[in-house]
Amino acid sequence: DVKVTQSSRYLVKRTGEKVFLECVQDMDHENMFWYRQDPGLGLRLIYFSYDVKMKEKGDIPEGYSVSREKKERFSLILESASTNQTSMYLCASSFEDRVRGYTFGSGTRLTVV
Amino acid sequence: GIQVEQSPPDLILQEGANSTLRCNFSDSVNNLQWFHQNPWGQLINLFYIPSGTKQNGRLSATTVATERYSLLYISSSQTTDSGVYFCAARFTGTASKLTFGTGTRLQVTL
Repeated sequence: DVKVTQSSRYLVKRTGEKVFLECVQDMDHENMFWYRQDPGLGLRLIYFSYDVKMKEKGDIPEGYSVSREKKERFSLILESASTNQTSMYLCASSFEDRVRGYTFGSGTRLTVV
Repeated sequence: GIQVEQSPPDLILQEGANSTLRCNFSDSVNNLQWFHQNPWGQLINLFYIPSGTKQNGRLSATTVATERYSLLYISSSQTTDSGVYFCAARFTGTASKLTFGTGTRLQVTL
């Protein structure tokens, strides 16, 4: 089975801190995605990457950046955390031509205080 | 803009009941998936169904692409079916990303 692993299940950070959320997948997927999930809003795409060192903005990229130096790892960076970035963050991956293989990590619940 | 809308937003069922969840999408799609998020937050892919009908045990799904909707049927519901059901679509011309609906929260009671 494909595994998508997110480094932390729960995280508490202070306003203004730089925050790194890590995601690793073990099935050689080309595509990787970062979503945030908020009550009543569903999942919203922050950034995605279709290859090493490639990235595309999603629907809500403001306040975030990403890094993909290796195929298996996709990092989400909050440059200066703010309270409105308190959310559940979900990483996913898929093959380029088979989006049906969309697989999610178990999520990181981030609280910014 | 492109949208995925789900109904109802919340649903409470007694164990053993049947239900239908609906997903409407605003434009043509080449990929439509249903996911279940369990109470611990894990999202599991249920169906990849850009068109037609599929069945997996007590669950089945139908997508009518020409009319821009998909339905998820749950029969003989069990408490383990509780959680949030998401519909997600890849709209034609939008690369590999999926656009998610806001979900249907299902609670199955004894």
